[in-house]
Amino acid sequence: KAGVTQTPRYLIKTRGQQVTLSCSPISGHRSVSWYQQTPGQGLQFLFEYFSETQRNKGNFPGRFSGRQFSNSRSEMNVSTLELGDSALYLCASSSLGWGSGNTIYFGEGSWLTVV
Amino acid sequence: AQTVTQSQPEMSVQEAETVTLSCTYDTSENNYYLFWYKQPPSRQMILVIRQEAYKQQNATENRFSVNFQKAAKSFSLKISDSQLGDTAMYFCAFMNDGNKLVFGAGTILRVKS
Repeated sequence: KAGVTQTPRYLIKTRGQQVTLSCSPISGHRSVSWYQQTPGQGLQFLFEYFSETQRNKGNFPGRFSGRQFSNSRSEMNVSTLELGDSALYLCASSSLGWGSGNTIYFGEGSWLTVV
Repeated sequence: AQTVTQSQPEMSVQEAETVTLSCTYDTSENNYYLFWYKQPPSRQMILVIRQEAYKQQNATENRFSVNFQKAAKSFSLKISDSQLGDTAMYFCAFMNDGNKLVFGAGTILRVKS
């Protein structure tokens, strides 16, 4: 069974631009969540989608958005990029949506550098 | 809001020895889940072990075991017979709100030969 797949793996953008990152969850998983990892702030939850609906959202500005498609694939978008958005963005999926305690499986991440 | 604290930024252990990583958390909830994740230099987050708060029995996965003290809100990870491949950043994480994980700052573990 393929794991969580994220594309692209590495990208460089200029301040003010926007970026879209893609995530394909493990087959059969309906919940997809996104995390930002930086040296200064550590791992922070961005948002979670289940059956195309955003179920939970972290404390990030509106420049960060996401969506989930009917095949459970998810995208996150960051508009008007700032230098501080440089980070490793991790996507994770889970087989169960409702309730809690589900095992979360992570992808290898997308490295975003903003210059 | 829940918080997770890992008080050891870095630790070292000799190969084949045992090491314990500390984690404390703060919550007013009674039902929740706790996890340890490993992040090697490849940055792939790998689940090490999972504990359900309503279970008193400590979780064990091969060389990895936890000491879960619910009243003290403590969740330490013990690695026995440490191997070079255990070198990684280890994150303690808390979950009780859907699939949202709250992570600690992490502990870098170096296994020396």
